[in-house]
Amino acid sequence: QKEVEQDPGPLSVPEGAIVSLNCTYSNSAFQYFMWYRQYSRKGPELLMYTYSSGNKEDGRFTAQVDKSSKYISLFIRDSQPSDSATYLCAMRNTDKLIFGTGTRLQVFP
Amino acid sequence: DAEITQSPRHKITETGRQVTLACHQTWNHNNMFWYRQDLGHGLRLIHYSYGVQDTNKGEVSDGYSVSRSNTEDLPLTLESAASSQTSVYFCASTDDTDTQYFGPGTRLTVL
Repeated sequence: QKEVEQDPGPLSVPEGAIVSLNCTYSNSAFQYFMWYRQYSRKGPELLMYTYSSGNKEDGRFTAQVDKSSKYISLFIRDSQPSDSATYLCAMRNTDKLIFGTGTRLQVFP
Repeated sequence: DAEITQSPRHKITETGRQVTLACHQTWNHNNMFWYRQDLGHGLRLIHYSYGVQDTNKGEVSDGYSVSRSNTEDLPLTLESAASSQTSVYFCASTDDTDTQYFGPGTRLTVL
């Protein structure tokens, strides 16, 4: 079993939709949780960072962590075609990041 | 502007050849990482370094080596390329662990 599980998609939604992206994990020691966004043929870039349980909002993006369920989510409100990318969750307990496999999102006009 | 670059961007090589992928960053970050990205596996850590002369093995280090002779560069060497090493390789750097800045990637094909 992988430490971090992420549905690969692809997820295809119309412009303006609310998108929910999710990861589950097995290691209860993870304390730091991140979402990276990766456009086609580019390197990943950090989108959201949260520490422990709770919600964090940044514009149209909300990151949610539920440590009791070992579940993290990224919500995108009013999705735009420019949000079309692969979204990778990542988490850490010591000094190295463990990445999910990524979910490919396509937002069509 | 500070940046991280990788070269070459694309490489085709033959089984058994030695290949070196370059990574150069101008942020003066101490921490540098090499990952490979494959369908169904996501990003997997190959090697990492926390400073000059420091190197450490990651999750999938067999067949790869790195050296860190200065702060800016962390070249990745495939000693004897194998078809299983066909992948997209990303270099990253950071001064902490979580906000990693990734390069544009090198697409390597081993025939």
